[in-house]
Amino acid sequence: DGGITQSPKYLFRKEGQNVTLSCEQNLNHDAMYWYRQDPGQGLRLIYYSQIVNDFQKGDIAEGYSVSREKKESFPLTVTSAQKNPTAFYLCAVNPGQGWTGELFFGEGSRLTVL
Amino acid sequence: AQKVTQAQTEISVVEKEDVTLDCVYETRDTTYYLFWYKQPPSGELVFLIRRNSFDEQNEISGRYSWNFQKSTSSFNFTITASQVVDSAVYFCALIRANFNKFYFGSGTKLNVKP
Repeated sequence: DGGITQSPKYLFRKEGQNVTLSCEQNLNHDAMYWYRQDPGQGLRLIYYSQIVNDFQKGDIAEGYSVSREKKESFPLTVTSAQKNPTAFYLCAVNPGQGWTGELFFGEGSRLTVL
Repeated sequence: AQKVTQAQTEISVVEKEDVTLDCVYETRDTTYYLFWYKQPPSGELVFLIRRNSFDEQNEISGRYSWNFQKSTSSFNFTITASQVVDSAVYFCALIRANFNKFYFGSGTKLNVKP
């Protein structure tokens, strides 16, 4: 079964807790991304990584952290410093054709802070 | 700065009607790519089309067609004879040449009623 796997699909968290969202891909692509989706605001880039052991902040990185220790994995941690973490989180990969490539998305993780 | 605007937040049509989703973009670059994605209720974004800035030919794929006009910085998407399965949120996006960062519009929710 190929593609991009995000887990968990639904997650509930208490205020003040860190939570980690998983993104795994078996497409052997280099570039991976995390987006946040809020109603009426489209997709906003949190972090992206173009190669193992390297990643860059996107537009809304505050309160989030990532790691890229393996090519196939790009986990996102939502820390307690994120003021409004309730959102839909999407992981995406780029086939590595540089700027000509389209993004392929996982099915998303919906985080709700209680 | 790059920006993608989808002014239509939500559109409702009756099945078999034609519908056009608008997308206006801003960039000072001469080389860039434009995309349309579909997000069904399941959440995963599905790639529909990619168009580079040097190709202004309109494209038709079945009931879908796209009109790219650089003079008005628009990349509009038309669905002919809409069907209930077309109900989804549609995103327009832009990527600059030599960059791996995508800029998404806020999305247009299309409701197709039987």
